[in-house]
Amino acid sequence: GENVEQHPSTLSVQEGDSAVIKCTYSDSASNYFPWYKQELGKRPQLIIDIRSNVGEKKDQRIAVTLNKTAKHFSLHITETQPEDSAVYFCAASGSGTYKYIFGTGTRLKVLA
Amino acid sequence: GAGVSQSPSNKVTEKGKDVELRCDPISGHTALYWYRQSLGQGLEFLIYFQGNSAPDKSGLPSDRFSAERTGGSVSTLTIQRTQQEDSAVYLCASNRGLASYEQYFGPGTRLTVT
Repeated sequence: GENVEQHPSTLSVQEGDSAVIKCTYSDSASNYFPWYKQELGKRPQLIIDIRSNVGEKKDQRIAVTLNKTAKHFSLHITETQPEDSAVYFCAASGSGTYKYIFGTGTRLKVLA
Repeated sequence: GAGVSQSPSNKVTEKGKDVELRCDPISGHTALYWYRQSLGQGLEFLIYFQGNSAPDKSGLPSDRFSAERTGGSVSTLTIQRTQQEDSAVYLCASNRGLASYEQYFGPGTRLTVT
């Protein structure tokens, strides 16, 4: 069945360093890949997304890359700040119905 | 404009009781999704509505779970004969469907089965 694997499950970085979170999906028909940030007790919020016709997308300190051949996509956060500390989820859109298959999440901790 | 809303925000129920969770999507959003998030876990897809019909209910964990949507708007997720393993945060999301991808999430309902 459809599956999204996400690594690492936890990540600690020093403030100012970069953080990279990686995901792999199984459904080759997936064509939309959002990344959500969830702070403790809050709802998930979209931070960046990429469609399958694009290899890379950047928004200020956040970038996402997609390798369709390998079915990999990654989130890159540069110049991390304490407020970046949260749980990050990747997802892939299920073919046809637009439901998301989520990864298991990465707890990012930025150390001041 | 108003975002996705859910009620109640918290629900504590005894094992064996039925519960109803409500989701009000963003006005004009034709697609509605229910997810479940267990403590410290990812988001598990439950069911997807396009209008009032549910083309994909593959994530419902058992026949104790059901959902409906009326008027293309409000949705209710019902869990019958609740079990302790049903304890989780139930999240609802909506979007314009078909041509639109980004899903907007509600704040969730935290369900605790004692």
